[in-house]
Amino acid sequence: TQLLEQSPQFLSIQEGENLTVYCNSSSVFSSLQWYRQEPGEGPVLLVTVVTGGEVKKLKRLTFQFGDARKDSSLHITAAQPGDTGLYLCAGLGGSNYKLTFGKGTLLTVNP
Amino acid sequence: NAGVTQTPKFQVLKTGQSMTLQCAQDMNHEYMSWYRQDPGMGLRLIHYSVGAGITDQGEVPNGYNVSRSTTEDFPLRLLSAAPSQTSVYFCASSLRSGGNQPQHFGDGTRLSIL
Repeated sequence: TQLLEQSPQFLSIQEGENLTVYCNSSSVFSSLQWYRQEPGEGPVLLVTVVTGGEVKKLKRLTFQFGDARKDSSLHITAAQPGDTGLYLCAGLGGSNYKLTFGKGTLLTVNP
Repeated sequence: NAGVTQTPKFQVLKTGQSMTLQCAQDMNHEYMSWYRQDPGMGLRLIHYSVGAGITDQGEVPNGYNVSRSTTEDFPLRLLSAAPSQTSVYFCASSLRSGGNQPQHFGDGTRLSIL
């Protein structure tokens, strides 16, 4: 089983601060996805990255896929309370059918 | 569109009881999957299906059965519930299998086994 390690596990910041969360593995992934999950709901896809070194931006969120396709990061600029949630990374490795999820980063943005 | 619908939303069972968690999608998606989410463990794949009549095991399949008789439905059966199966269960679907496909999740079934 290919593992995805996410860090930090918990993050509590004030509104307006910047933050970065990480998703790392010793294995190569053909693609990697980031999801956000709010309490009582299922995860919702934010972005998919497929090319080593790829950078994608979604408003104040910047996603990067490592050159070797073993790691990814999510950077949030000027965090807002609406960004609060569980951020999950998920990767597709050797099997085309099994998506592996990290354990998530629980982000709290305080007003 | 309703997307992915899971029923029930909450369930309490006694050890040894059986039950079926229902999952239906109305997007004509080929790929469907079941995950369980436990504190500190993230989402773990239980079973998945790449199309009607085809199912396979994920990371944690023991104690669970699935079937896929139609494209729309993918029920998850607990044959003899155990306290270790207390969890939140999520069903997901995507148009096809493959890492580029966005997974659409239901809102989960919260299951407690006493």
